[in-house]
Amino acid sequence: DQQVKQNSPSLSVQEGRISILNCDYTNSMFDYFLWYKKYPAEGPTFLISISSIKDKNEDGRFTVFLNKSAKHLSLHIVPSQPGDSAVYFCAAASYNQGGKLIFGQGTELSVKP
Amino acid sequence: ETGVTQSPTHLIKTRGQQVTLRCSSQSGHNTVSWYQQALGQGPQFIFQYYREEENGRGNFPPRFSGLQFPNYSSELNVNALELDDSALYLCASSLGGASTNEKLFFGSGTQLSVL
Repeated sequence: DQQVKQNSPSLSVQEGRISILNCDYTNSMFDYFLWYKKYPAEGPTFLISISSIKDKNEDGRFTVFLNKSAKHLSLHIVPSQPGDSAVYFCAAASYNQGGKLIFGQGTELSVKP
Repeated sequence: ETGVTQSPTHLIKTRGQQVTLRCSSQSGHNTVSWYQQALGQGPQFIFQYYREEENGRGNFPPRFSGLQFPNYSSELNVNALELDDSALYLCASSLGGASTNEKLFFGSGTQLSVL
């Protein structure tokens, strides 16, 4: 039972263009969503998050959009840079299950110069 | 401020053996969570420890057990290893116990291979 799904295993984008990573979820009880970035041989690092009461959160080049009715969120990176090449994980959490993150399978982003 | 450190970085065991993985949380963090990441998958929650008590558990059998020490470092123990236990084991620390608002700080993981 995959509650959080990232259906694109990989994405290739040209430097300077927009990268859009998508994530779908099935559990309407999720209160909080997060994106993590992972480089090879390193642990995931927190990127950006959004509460279920919002539909957008922006931090520099990174913006997360949440569509609760569609149970869909997306991460926009603009402009994309070669250093953004990594695996991106979407994760979801519920307040009543404090601290337990449900991760998607990840999308490997490759930004080409 | 030191980050989350895990040891060992790599480990090879045989089926049926037992293994202990260690994690030192980031300075000031009182909560440690353990995740298992199989190849090509996202991390899967094993359990969380908050102030030395287990504070939530994922869908893992009892042969996965843990411990948190007074200094908030933690151990993950796996008994009777199976081939499917081969994975990257990630430890993450945070401040705030059960709060989901707290972003997790992950270590680099321990790569366990079971032969």
